[in-house]
Amino acid sequence: QVQLQESGPGLVKPSETLSLTCSVSNGSISSFYWSWIRQSAGKGLEWIGRIYSSGSTSYNPSLKSRVTMSADTSKNQFSLRLSSVTAADTAVYYCARDAPSKSVAVDVWGQGTTVTVSS
Amino acid sequence: DIQMTQSPSSLSASVGDRVTITCRASQSIRNYLNWYQQKPGKAPELLIYAASNLQSGVPSRFSGSGSGTDFTLTISSLQPEDFASYYCQQSYSTPRTFGQGTRVEIK
Repeated sequence: QVQLQESGPGLVKPSETLSLTCSVSNGSISSFYWSWIRQSAGKGLEWIGRIYSSGSTSYNPSLKSRVTMSADTSKNQFSLRLSSVTAADTAVYYCARDAPSKSVAVDVWGQGTTVTVSS
Repeated sequence: DIQMTQSPSSLSASVGDRVTITCRASQSIRNYLNWYQQKPGKAPELLIYAASNLQSGVPSRFSGSGSGTDFTLTISSLQPEDFASYYCQQSYSTPRTFGQGTRVEIK
């Protein structure tokens, strides 16, 4: 069973860049779309964007100017960078896999990592 | 963006009750509608995809229906482990969007 694990700082200062990595185990990142989704009390579940294993990306227009995603097939990882963070970016961040055979639903989720934006 | 509206936002029910949650899309999404269950402190888990297909391992008391703009998640006989939050999500277009959630509480 494919497993995902997010890693990265739990505390980020305002105006700095949030960086998270998702490590994929028991499966390859090749030939799948991989998503980042966040959840805050104020906004529920919010789709940040996704990246295909080849590197093509699609971002939420609401965050597009600040988001960069990348994938490293040699390390079987993919990453999220969110620049110029504010307190509104405080949330639990999930990495996830889109299942092309299941209406592109998210069929595998990481456990989530809490990121707090504060000085 | 496609807006997803769930109702109710919360409900109280007893073990054994039949529970229905609805989700409405702001435009047709055909059957690109998915349902997730989330328990406190945990990541969401896929229950139903493509409106009516049960994810492997999910109990048959869960079912989904609908197409176009109106969808329903039904739990035929609520069990203690079903008390959780439920979210719908459209996968018809990007950005993917979720409903605001329905919290199912013990009566």
